[in-house]
Amino acid sequence: NAGVTQTPKFQVLKTGQSMTLQCAQDMNHEYMSWYRQDPGMGLRLIHYSVGAGITDQGEVPNGYNVSRSTTEDFPLRLLSAAPSQTSVYFCASSYYVKGDGYTFGSGTRLTVV
Amino acid sequence: AQKVTQAQTEISVVEKEDVTLDCVYETRDTTYYLFWYKQPPSGELVFLIRRNSFDEQNEISGRYSWNFQKSTSSFNFTITASQVVDSAVYFCALSEANQGGSEKLVFGKGTKLTVNP
Repeated sequence: NAGVTQTPKFQVLKTGQSMTLQCAQDMNHEYMSWYRQDPGMGLRLIHYSVGAGITDQGEVPNGYNVSRSTTEDFPLRLLSAAPSQTSVYFCASSYYVKGDGYTFGSGTRLTVV
Repeated sequence: AQKVTQAQTEISVVEKEDVTLDCVYETRDTTYYLFWYKQPPSGELVFLIRRNSFDEQNEISGRYSWNFQKSTSSFNFTITASQVVDSAVYFCALSEANQGGSEKLVFGKGTKLTVNP
């Protein structure tokens, strides 16, 4: 089915470990972004990309790295996991159309111990 | 700077009641977009509606309706004759179009709606 696919769905990391959250979309969307959701905080933008080879920081970028080598994929890297990065992570994509609605992935629940 | 405020943290109603979820936004742009998303207990985010700043017409979709008022910077969401399946967290979000696209969504903190049978 077309949409945004995130893997893994669940992950437990030890403090200091690194890992990559995968995000892929097959809708040929130009925009892709990563959000984190914390209780009582809503969703906050980590990084976003307006096309292959172009990325930029969002509201809470520290501790995360991204790259966009293809239109389809937008991985999020945790460089050295910290307990403060325990959260639910959502990847989203949309067309380059002003105000178009985003399609979200199903989320990755990450726990850092 | 953009900001979205959903003052109601939690709302509880009995089935068949009408319920309105409030959303107040702040932006300096004259062109912007407003969204509502639903997050059911399963956790996924479901797009409900988007509205651009030039279209103040109210929208109705089945039991859902949205009231956009630029004068009060509000974009409220009403569910008529609520059902248990409406139980979810609802997020209001804002995007400014000053750079040509909807690449940044600013979300409110969400309103948790519980509909009791």
